[in-house]
Parts: sequence; C-alpha cells; structure tokens
Amino acid sequence: GAGVSQSPRYKVAKRGQDVALRCDPISGHVSLFWYQQALGQGPEFLTYFQNEAQLDKSGLPSDRFFAERPEGSVSTLKIQRTQQEDSAVYLCASSLQGRLPAWTKYEQYFGPGTRLTVT
Amino acid sequence: KNEVEQSPQNLTAQEGEFITINCSYSVGISALHWLQQHPGGGIVSLFMLSSGKKKHGRLIATINIQEKHSSLHITASHPRDSAVYICAVVDSGGGADGLTFGKGTHLIIQP
Repeated sequence: GAGVSQSPRYKVAKRGQDVALRCDPISGHVSLFWYQQALGQGPEFLTYFQNEAQLDKSGLPSDRFFAERPEGSVSTLKIQRTQQEDSAVYLCASSLQGRLPAWTKYEQYFGPGTRLTVT
Repeated sequence: KNEVEQSPQNLTAQEGEFITINCSYSVGISALHWLQQHPGGGIVSLFMLSSGKKKHGRLIATINIQEKHSSLHITASHPRDSAVYICAVVDSGGGADGLTFGKGTHLIIQP
C-alpha cells in the first residue's frame, strides 16, 4: 500500500525566498508530525496535528515557520524568508491513532523527507 | 524535555559480528522506538516497546524502564545492515507530543 509521501524531495532556495513543503500521510491516519533533521543530527520535533487541529507547535523554531492541515489529510509546512540555518531534511510522519496515550501504542510511519538547501 | 543519548556514535564491524547499540534517556517515557535510516533519508520503524524485549528476525530490542536504558542487538550482522540507527522516545509527562530523538549510531558492516 501507499506510504507517506513528501514533495518535493529536494528544494534549493535562495536566502529570503518562501518555500512550501508538502506531506501526504497514509490514508486514514489521524496523527501527523513534522520533524527537522540537520546534517549529522537526529530529527527534532517541529509540530503535531490530530486531524486538522494543530495541537502542538512548540518545536517550530521561529514565526517564519507555519504548518497547516486544513482538511485533516495533506499537510503543508511553509517557511517564510528562508535563512541558511533552515537548511535541513524535513521529515513528515503519520500515525493511525490520535493523542496520548492511545497513539503511543502505534508506530509512526515516516516519509522520505524533503532536503532543503538555502543558498 | 527528555535527553536521549546513544552509544556508540559510530561503529564499524565485520560481517557476522554481534552488534549492540545502546540508548539511555533522562525522564520517564510512554514508549521507545528504534528506527533505521538509510542514506537518502528514509526512516523505517524497527521496534516500538514500552517494556521487556522484542525480536524480529536478526534484530532484538530490550528495554529496562527502571534504568532508563534500551539496547538494540543485531545478530549475524550483514553489510545490508549498514545504516544509521536512531533511538526515539515518547515522554510520559505530557510534554511535546512528538518523538524525542537521539543523534543516531552510524553502523558500517564490512564484508
């Protein structure tokens, strides 16, 4: 079956440009997560959706980062006025169940990531 | 926020060797995940556990909740096992809903 997909796979942006990264979760998955992975580091949590509700955005590094999931399926992570420190792989993951504690019993399925390079 | 530490950071071994990767965390968790990441970024979930031990093929994962420690073992290692192995936890304290990740262990299995 189809897994989590992300597009584009690679994005090069000039400093100051806005970018939009898309995540298509597995159909029917309630939870959706965005993570940022800098080179040589483990991923770090950015934000979490349960259906269309953004329940946690504590990991977003600045107000230039914005995420939405308006219909509870596809999600978009938008970065405004990109900076070089935004260069990273942005990972999306989805999970079948909703919020704690239920979802901890279910695996997260990861997309292939979008590698963003800001020049 | 949980602090997740993995060791070793890098490991090179010969084909057939028994591999152990360790993970420790600082505060109570609801669950711990072991993930595998191949070059190019794709992450695959290997195990999710909250107690005891799980086995899948040549992979074994154990967790000791009291000691806040987990290990991932690979028996009869093979070059295709070469990847980054990442430990990630879910805090039980109701903090951020996402996973907190270790920095990963870069494993190379030489033929």
